[in-house]
Amino acid sequence: NAGVMQNPRHLVRRRGQEARLRCSPMKGHSHVYWYRQLPEEGLKFMVYLQKENIIDESGMPKERFSAEFPKEGPSILRIQQVVRGDSAAYFCASSPRTSGALGKNIQYFGAGTRLSVL
Amino acid sequence: ILNVEQSPQSLHVQEGDSTNFTCSFPSSNFYALHWYRWETAKSPEALFVMTLNGDEKKKGRISATLNTKEGYSYLYIKGSQPEDSATYLCAFNAGGTSYGKLTFGQGTILTVHP
Repeated sequence: NAGVMQNPRHLVRRRGQEARLRCSPMKGHSHVYWYRQLPEEGLKFMVYLQKENIIDESGMPKERFSAEFPKEGPSILRIQQVVRGDSAAYFCASSPRTSGALGKNIQYFGAGTRLSVL
Repeated sequence: ILNVEQSPQSLHVQEGDSTNFTCSFPSSNFYALHWYRWETAKSPEALFVMTLNGDEKKKGRISATLNTKEGYSYLYIKGSQPEDSATYLCAFNAGGTSYGKLTFGQGTILTVHP
């Protein structure tokens, strides 16, 4: 059973370009989470999605950032018009669908995408 | 804003030493406390999910305890080995409308010297 797959592992963009980060959850997992690690900081929650639904986006910047988890295909974190401050490692995690007790489920992490904005 | 604090920030021990570190979290609205181990250039790896006051979990030489009333958890490593060198993260889950969200501490960086 392959783990959480993120691609690309490294992404370089110039200011003003768009960045698309992909996350394929573990097989059978229907919950996806995105976290960001800015330089010298810890992991910070961005957004939690289920298939076709955004459940909690309380950690997403209000502008330029969006996330989706379509019925088919990977989850996408999209950053429009990137700025230098967006340079960070972006991690995706997934967990299985269970009835209740979601917060007690292990979140399985991918290896991250390191975004560098020139 | 939830505050999850870990101490110490970093720790150097000799092979064979036993060690422990602390995670402090809000004692109100507790739902679950997660411990992760994160090696450089790898994915964070889940160690434990703890939910009940007084919980004790063990995995090999690593164990953890939980006190939800006072808002802390300890992680213990017995007989540290160089391969235990990693960053150890705790993460708090408040449940309710935030049931999908983990709030991470800054981590404790453990270095085990041969």
